[in-house]
Amino acid sequence: QMQLLQSGAEVKKPGASVRVSCKASGYIFPDNYIHWVRQAPGQGLQWMGWINPNNGGTNYLRNFQGRVTLTWDTSISTAYMEVSSLRSGDTAMYYCARGPFYMAVWGQGTTVTVSS
Amino acid sequence: QSALTQPASVSGSPGQSITISCTGTSSDVAGSNFVSWYQQHAGKAPKLILYDVNNRPSGVANRFSGSKSGNTASLTISGLQAEDEADYYCASYSPSNTLEIIFFGGGTKLTVL
Repeated sequence: QMQLLQSGAEVKKPGASVRVSCKASGYIFPDNYIHWVRQAPGQGLQWMGWINPNNGGTNYLRNFQGRVTLTWDTSISTAYMEVSSLRSGDTAMYYCARGPFYMAVWGQGTTVTVSS
Repeated sequence: QSALTQPASVSGSPGQSITISCTGTSSDVAGSNFVSWYQQHAGKAPKLILYDVNNRPSGVANRFSGSKSGNTASLTISGLQAEDEADYYCASYSPSNTLEIIFFGGGTKLTVL
C-alpha cells in the first residue's frame, strides 16, 4: 500500500525556518515526483513546487522561489520541504503528494504555525 | 501565475446531478490533458477523484465524471449522495518553456440539501 507519512506539527517564531519531512513507502521512491501543497486556514489548495527524486530536479511556483527549498534522501525514501524567513502568512497545513502530473497519494498533512 | 477559476459553491438534492466548472487559459487547461480533480472533506487530506480529464482511480464511484472543452474543464457528480458534501478542487499541469508547474482552482463547496 502506497503511503506518505509526514512529520509532526511545528510552531515557529517569525523569521525562523521550518523543515517538514515526507517518508514514502509501498512504491519505488525515485519513480515519482513529490509535490508540496499548502492550505492556509479556511483557504484553498496552493501548489508550491515539486522535486524529482530520480535526479533532484525541482520546480517552484514563483511565489515560493527563494524561500522554499525541496530536497530528498533516496536512501530513506524521504522528501523534505524547508521554508525560511517564516511570517504569519505561512501558517498553514502543508501536504506532500505523489506525482507527477496528478496527486494520487497524499500525506496526512503537517500543521505549521508561525507566532511570536 | 493565476489559479484556475471555479464557482465558490454549488448545491443539489440527493439523487440529482451537479456540474462544477474549472476555467483556465490556453497555457494550462486548454493546452493540457493533465487535468485532475480532488475531493476534500473537512479536516481531511484531499483525495484524487479524476485524473487526465476523465479517468477515475480505482475505488472512485462511476458517479464522478469529467470532461474538457477549450479552456474549461468540468466535474459532474450524478446521483448525489450526502457523503459527496465536500470541497472540490481542479488542478492543471501547465508546461512552459522554462517551468513546469501546476495550478489549482480556488475550490468549490458542494452542499447536498
